[in-house]
Amino acid sequence: DVKVTQSSRYLVKRTGEKVFLECVQDMDHENMFWYRQDPGLGLRLIYFSYDVKMKEKGDIPEGYSVSREKKERFSLILESASTNQTSMYLCASPELLTYEQYFGPGTRLTVT
Amino acid sequence: AQSVSQHNHHVILSEAASLELGCNYSYGGTVNLFWYVQYPGQHLQLLLKYFSGDPLVKGIKGFEAEFIKSKFSFNLRKPSVQWSDTAEYFCAVNARRGAGSYQLTFGKGTKLSVIP
Repeated sequence: DVKVTQSSRYLVKRTGEKVFLECVQDMDHENMFWYRQDPGLGLRLIYFSYDVKMKEKGDIPEGYSVSREKKERFSLILESASTNQTSMYLCASPELLTYEQYFGPGTRLTVT
Repeated sequence: AQSVSQHNHHVILSEAASLELGCNYSYGGTVNLFWYVQYPGQHLQLLLKYFSGDPLVKGIKGFEAEFIKSKFSFNLRKPSVQWSDTAEYFCAVNARRGAGSYQLTFGKGTKLSVIP
């Protein structure tokens, strides 16, 4: 069964902290994505990776970076967390042929 | 750049009413189209998808969607909604982003509330 897991369901961090969000997929997929979901704004793409050590900016990359050292793991990094980064963060990995996205359960991050 | 527009932010229906949620996209090339659903407290899951072939697509739980290429639309329908359909619905379009890469673009979502 297809599976995308995220390291935390809920996270509370202080302004200025460095935050790591981890995502692991067990489908041997090439591509992995990070979105944030905010009420009324839908899902917005932050970064994606199409291969190990390869990354590409999405629509809202400012304030974020990513790391993909292994095929199954894709990390989202908030270098210096700010309150406007309080959000639900979703990791996803698509099937190559149909591009159906398989989503993780999400990490609800609160920055205080 | 591609974009997806969902016409309704919040739809409120009584049980047994018919549902149609609008979705329009802007992209001139070949697309794959999706509807995802997010039930309260749960993660996003695929409702249905259009890849090619018959433009009328049937999904899970009695949902269907029709791809009308000339109108750049992919509206979601259900003849009779149930209270358990209360959820947020997202339309998404997958299109080529650059050389060899694709991007899935989501609409802003439509919240459906079904009143028993």
